Amino acid sequence: AQSVTQPDIHITVSEGASLELRCNYSYGATPYLFWYVQSPGQGLQLLLKYFSGDTLVQGIKGFEAEFKRSQSSFNLRKPSVHWSDAAEYFCAVGASTNAGKSTFGDGTTLTVKP
Amino acid sequence: GAVVSQHPSWVICKSGTSVKIECRSLDFQATTMFWYRQFPKQSLMLMATSNEGSKATYEQGVEKDKFLINHASLTLSTLTVTSAHPEDSSFYICSALATGLDQETQYFGPGTRLLVL
Repeated sequence: AQSVTQPDIHITVSEGASLELRCNYSYGATPYLFWYVQSPGQGLQLLLKYFSGDTLVQGIKGFEAEFKRSQSSFNLRKPSVHWSDAAEYFCAVGASTNAGKSTFGDGTTLTVKP
Repeated sequence: GAVVSQHPSWVICKSGTSVKIECRSLDFQATTMFWYRQFPKQSLMLMATSNEGSKATYEQGVEKDKFLINHASLTLSTLTVTSAHPEDSSFYICSALATGLDQETQYFGPGTRLLVL
């Protein structure tokens, strides 16, 4: 069975500072990995995804993530955080045979200080 | 493109009544849609997979007679919470896979907040 762990429940960063949100996954084969952002009371927006190829993936809103197979990780990064980035972030893993059906982590809440 | 809508965005109902939530893919066809439930400050929990023209596949622990799913067309799936009770209060989110495009990317609706009194 696939699973996702987001070790940080809540992270606070200052505006303009760099950000890294951690994600560790468990899956027997090559996973399909996703990062989503959810603003309060809203659905999820896809930030980026990794299926294969270059392990450094660029996404929207200046986000990127790096797939590290040896560490079973897919951490999300942004070099300079904006106040509008404050939201809930979810990492998800999909099976290569049925990637549309994903398992989500518990999420990390990002607070941005002025 | 790839927009998914949900209606209503929020609903309040009395205990014992039924509530229908619609999920529509506005600019693409969706053979497969998913229904999730999200409790406050928690992750999304997959309830069921909805396939157009066939019965939905429910996750373990989800009562199929309580959460009725119908996917009658390639652009519409509905979730009906029957005989709703306060414990059914939650945020319900649907997602869709775009037919003909990559089958790994889900497009999410904005969610429906249900409050059962």
